[in-house]
Amino acid sequence: RKEVEQDPGPFNVPEGATVAFNCTYSNSASQSFFWYRQDCRKEPKLLMSVYSSGNEDGRFTAQLNRASQYISLLIRDSKLSDSATYLCVVMGSSYKLIFGSGTRLLVRP
Amino acid sequence: SAVISQKPSRDICQRGTSLTIQCQVDSQVTMMFWYRQQPGQSLTLIATANQGSEATYESGFVIDKFPISRPNLTFSTLTVSNMSPEDSSIYLCSVVYGYEQYFGPGTRLTVT
Repeated sequence: RKEVEQDPGPFNVPEGATVAFNCTYSNSASQSFFWYRQDCRKEPKLLMSVYSSGNEDGRFTAQLNRASQYISLLIRDSKLSDSATYLCVVMGSSYKLIFGSGTRLLVRP
Repeated sequence: SAVISQKPSRDICQRGTSLTIQCQVDSQVTMMFWYRQQPGQSLTLIATANQGSEATYESGFVIDKFPISRPNLTFSTLTVSNMSPEDSSIYLCSVVYGYEQYFGPGTRLTVT
């Protein structure tokens, strides 16, 4: 079983739609979680950290369910510029990052 | 966040040769990492390169193949040695700044 699992997609949605991605992780001792965004041929960029209480940044909401070991990302009012691959990331020991395979999002006009 | 640069941005190399990739950060950071992203795949950690200590390698990666230097708190190099086509990949350095991690723009390596 992979340490971090994501649905690879692609998710193909119209502009303005709400889309949600889920991710599961295998190590129940994990403490820190993140969503990164990666555009084609670019490096991953930190989108947001995921806190136990859930957190929101504009159109983006991240939630953590420790009991079920899953993390979610909700994007509201999708824009064309949201088209990218979204990487679910779990921090292991000594700040090492463990990446999911990524979920591809395509937002169409 | 830290500003990270890498050189070269891309290269095409012949098998059997070696390439050294440089990573420069605009501020002093203790923790630095090297990752690999193979075509169509996600990122995999190669090694941790903390200043003042030997690099520590993840399972499947060895120092003879990927020697790393970390001479100071703003700079590191990763060498890909005796390259084969399977080493064709994007190589990225990252740093921990605050408690978040940021990535350099990557070096796209093609081995022919």
